[in-house]
Amino acid sequence: AAGVIQSPRHLIKEKRETATLKCYPIPRHDTVYWYQQGPGQDPQFLISFYEKMQSDKGSIPDRFSAQQFSDYHSELNMSSLELGDSALYFCASSSYRTTSYNEQFFGPGTRLTVL
Amino acid sequence: GIQVEQSPPDLILQEGANSTLRCNFSDSVNNLQWFHQNPWGQLINLFYIPSGTKQNGRLSATTVATERYSLLYISSSQTTDSGVYFCAGLPADSNYQLIWGAGTKLIIKP
Repeated sequence: AAGVIQSPRHLIKEKRETATLKCYPIPRHDTVYWYQQGPGQDPQFLISFYEKMQSDKGSIPDRFSAQQFSDYHSELNMSSLELGDSALYFCASSSYRTTSYNEQFFGPGTRLTVL
Repeated sequence: GIQVEQSPPDLILQEGANSTLRCNFSDSVNNLQWFHQNPWGQLINLFYIPSGTKQNGRLSATTVATERYSLLYISSSQTTDSGVYFCAGLPADSNYQLIWGAGTKLIIKP
């Protein structure tokens, strides 16, 4: 079965640079979520989109922005990167059309290292 | 906000042993999921289990929603079961923001 695709899988950036992470949800899934996981921590919710509209917002810094496009893929844009932004970034997707409508399926993650 | 407590925080077992991991919620949740994070960082969906019992091979899970806890059973452990096991739930007032426990770090020794 198709899974959530994230790119790139690894990314190395310098402080103050920008980064763009991409997420391709499972086909026919209408909701996308972004999570950030620091070393030794549990994932923290950043933001979610349902049918291309922002549906919920968590602890996402103002330096970050995200959107969901017409083909349902999503991008997380990160500017003025800081050392503390080094983390695993997960994208997840779900579908309101299924009985388990709020079950979130996670991608493999993007490991961002800020030097 | 809702609090999620997992126990034990760490568990070291010999291959072939059985284990039970517990997840307690401070308030009701709409959804409860169990995940396995392998040593390479990948999060693998194990169970979507708002209530009841499910089994998948050597793994099974039970959620008692009225008492706000869930259990994950691992039988006949293998070294590939090593990693961190997370439970996460959706609070009653959110359809989107999963609240996570701190995880149980499981090490299976050969």
